[in-house]
Amino acid sequence: EAQVTQNPRYLITVTGKKLTVTCSQNMNHEYMSWYRQDPGLGLRQIYYSMNVEVTDKGDVPEGYKVSRKEKRNFPLILESPSPNQTSLYFCASSGHRDRGPGTQYFGPGTRLLVL
Amino acid sequence: GDSVTQMEGPVTLSEEAFLTINCTYTATGYPSLFWYVQYPGEGLQLLLKATKADDKGSNKGFEATYRKETTSFHLEKGSVQVSDSAVYFCALYHAGNMLTFGGGTRLMVKP
Repeated sequence: EAQVTQNPRYLITVTGKKLTVTCSQNMNHEYMSWYRQDPGLGLRQIYYSMNVEVTDKGDVPEGYKVSRKEKRNFPLILESPSPNQTSLYFCASSGHRDRGPGTQYFGPGTRLLVL
Repeated sequence: GDSVTQMEGPVTLSEEAFLTINCTYTATGYPSLFWYVQYPGEGLQLLLKATKADDKGSNKGFEATYRKETTSFHLEKGSVQVSDSAVYFCALYHAGNMLTFGGGTRLMVKP
């Protein structure tokens, strides 16, 4: 089954404790991206990747890091989480050969609470 | 830069009512336009799309027409069901960039 998986689905942590949210897709997609969803603000892009070893900042990259060492994985790293990073996070992917890069497949989301 | 503006919700309708959710955009050139839907507790999924002016996207009874002259992509459905209750996001895509989303519109359909 074609899918994007994220782990963990729910996470409660404390300020300053480094964490990683994993994202993996099994569709051989070139494009992957991370979004955060906040009430009243819709989805805002954090980082995106056009292919392996190619990443770029989205609209709200501060406080986040990403890496793309393998095509299928695109982890999101919070080196020193702060309460304003409490949010719902989505990973997404899309591919050239699929239905085009605007057509993205989304993971189920990771709800993060930073105390 | 690119931007997408949607009507604010929530939109509350009775079953079988007609639905319109307005979406307008600001972008240079000719972006592709999308509607995504988010059901409770789930990630977003593509509902429909249109890639050029005057194209009509349709799926599951929903329709939207790409209107370049009014920079709009309004979502419509003739008869909504309780199962259509969700949050709807309008989005645009430009080659070389990723998706730009609107703020989302929550639809609640009552039996």
